[in-house]
Amino acid sequence: TQLLEQSPQFLSIQEGENLTVYCNSSSVFSSLQWYRQEPGEGPVLLVTVVTGGEVKKLKRLTFQFGDARKDSSLHITAAQTGDTGLYLCAGGNAGNMLTFGGGTRLMVKP
Amino acid sequence: EAGVAQSPRYKIIEKRQSVAFWCNPISGHATLYWYQQILGQGPKLLIQFQNNGVVDDSQLPKDRFSAERLKGVDSTLKIQPAKLEDSAVYLCASSWDRGESYEQYFGPGTRLTVT
Repeated sequence: TQLLEQSPQFLSIQEGENLTVYCNSSSVFSSLQWYRQEPGEGPVLLVTVVTGGEVKKLKRLTFQFGDARKDSSLHITAAQTGDTGLYLCAGGNAGNMLTFGGGTRLMVKP
Repeated sequence: EAGVAQSPRYKIIEKRQSVAFWCNPISGHATLYWYQQILGQGPKLLIQFQNNGVVDDSQLPKDRFSAERLKGVDSTLKIQPAKLEDSAVYLCASSWDRGESYEQYFGPGTRLTVT
């Protein structure tokens, strides 16, 4: 069974601070996806990384896939209150089968 | 483009009762997924359909859960009989096809409370 562990589980920071969320596994995935989920809604895809060592930037968000394709990180620069939400990583394999991590609940306070 | 539709949005039932959830995927999407998301956890895949055929249902508790996608479009997920531990949000997602390059689009979910 493939498992993904996210840390931290909860994060409360002030607006303007930087933060990093980690996603780790002992298994290799062919792709790693990051989602954000708001209360009462389904997850929305932020980014997909497929190559070991790959770095992708989405405005203030930077995503990195580990060289061995077992881990990933999400870094947010100068967090805003609108970044508040549940961040989920998901490992992908053949057939578009996703294994989700437990999520990191981020609260950005004004 | 309309998103993935799910109904009902909320359902409260007593244990041992039955319940059904409905999902209408994005038009043209061949692949449909049902996930279970227990409070404080990430979604867990229950079943994946490709058109009207089951691709993977290895994590579906088949003694009480069933799902169908008869015409390859909308789908229903049923629980019979429900247990307390079935309390969760049930998410439906769809994608154009099964390949990894195809993004999964999620519906808003159905929040089930079993008392």
